[in-house]
Amino acid sequence: EIVLTQSPGTLSLSPGERGTLSCRASQSVTSTYLAWYQQKPGQAPRLLMYSASSRAAGIPDRFSGSGSGTDFTLTISRLEPEDSAVYYCQQYSSSLFTFGQGTKLEIK
Amino acid sequence: EGQLVQSGAEVKKPGESLTISCQGSGYSFTSYWIGWVRQMPGKGLEWIGIIYPGYSDPTYSPSFEGQVTISTDKSISTAYLQWASLKASDTAIYYCARAYGGYVGIGFDPWGQGTLVTVSS
Repeated sequence: EIVLTQSPGTLSLSPGERGTLSCRASQSVTSTYLAWYQQKPGQAPRLLMYSASSRAAGIPDRFSGSGSGTDFTLTISRLEPEDSAVYYCQQYSSSLFTFGQGTKLEIK
Repeated sequence: EGQLVQSGAEVKKPGESLTISCQGSGYSFTSYWIGWVRQMPGKGLEWIGIIYPGYSDPTYSPSFEGQVTISTDKSISTAYLQWASLKASDTAIYYCARAYGGYVGIGFDPWGQGTLVTVSS
């Protein structure tokens, strides 16, 4: 089973700044099968990025994804207060899914 | 686009059985994989399993194999997550979610609103 480790655990930034969230896999992940989610308190998760770098429908272009192999990054440019949330990466390999433990993004 | 609507919150005692549901609407239910995800209080997301409605046996996370049962009834566009004997540690929010774009593995969207299951004596 592939383990995903996200860093940092918590990220505190100001509006207008750029946020960079990392997701590292214990084994190589096919980029097609790497996704990112946003979860706000009391809400279900929302798909942000799929296939590492493709934005899901309705996601603003402030969100971008990159990476390959074992290292993937979610970048949020021009942070807004509404971006406060927990962000999760997820991978699919050998018919199994795993999630990272999450990064909490706080907008000061 | 479609949506998933889950059954309401449940309060159960240890040892009791439970089935929660997830009904799809606004899309072809049999054309999309459906997954289940657990979120324990204050914790992260854990994948439970996935099923292709009416056409395949479910695949389970090793952590949940033998602990729960996933099934579907395609005649009413509904997926189920079932426990034979609940434990206090099953207390969590359970989400169903549809495979994005119909392709297994690239992500889940949309998600149901979640079902809170509380197991307490």
